[in-house]
Amino acid sequence: DIQMTQSPSSLSASVGDRVTITCRASQSISSYLNWYQQKSGKAPKLLIYGASSLQSGVPARFSGGGSGTDFTLTISSLQPEDFATYYCQQSYTSPRTFGQGTKVEIK
Amino acid sequence: QVQLVESGGGLVKPGGSLRLSCAASGFTFSDFYMTWIRQAPGKGLEWLSYISGRATTIHYADSVKGRFTISRDNANNSLYLQMNSLRADDTAVYYCARGGAPGWGDDNWGQGTLVTVSS
Repeated sequence: DIQMTQSPSSLSASVGDRVTITCRASQSISSYLNWYQQKSGKAPKLLIYGASSLQSGVPARFSGGGSGTDFTLTISSLQPEDFATYYCQQSYTSPRTFGQGTKVEIK
Repeated sequence: QVQLVESGGGLVKPGGSLRLSCAASGFTFSDFYMTWIRQAPGKGLEWLSYISGRATTIHYADSVKGRFTISRDNANNSLYLQMNSLRADDTAVYYCARGGAPGWGDDNWGQGTLVTVSS
């Protein structure tokens, strides 16, 4: 199975900060990488698919990059509604493994 | 609009069985892969299984292979997860999601249904 490792596991940031979360795959997954946002008690929401394609309706302050084994999710200017847990997921092969999550908290 | 509504969760004893359902609306159900994902209390997301639109492709996570069975009824726009030989570590919120095709994300999720395995 492909292992997905996110870093950091948690971070504290302020409104307006630029935030970057990293996801590393244990083997190359080309650009088959998705990012999800999950708020407390809610279902996850797809933000980015194909490593860098913004899902419809997602604000442009979210962006994704990378290919192969190393990927990033960047929030250009953190907003109050962005405090949540973020997960990466590879869609290269089954099982479609998730990273362990990164919790973004208010500083 | 796309809507996914899970049902069938509840309390079950270890070794027992449960069948989850996911009612889909707002899109052509048979055109889409569908996926089950779960989240244990306070833990991360765990992908469980997906099924292609015509049910010709099915995959499972090792943790549920041989115990869980995914299926779909395209005539009734419904997705199912039959769960047998349940264990305490199957306790989780179970989500159905639209998606699972190679290279694509799961773009719509249900609200989840809680399964508790306890004696």
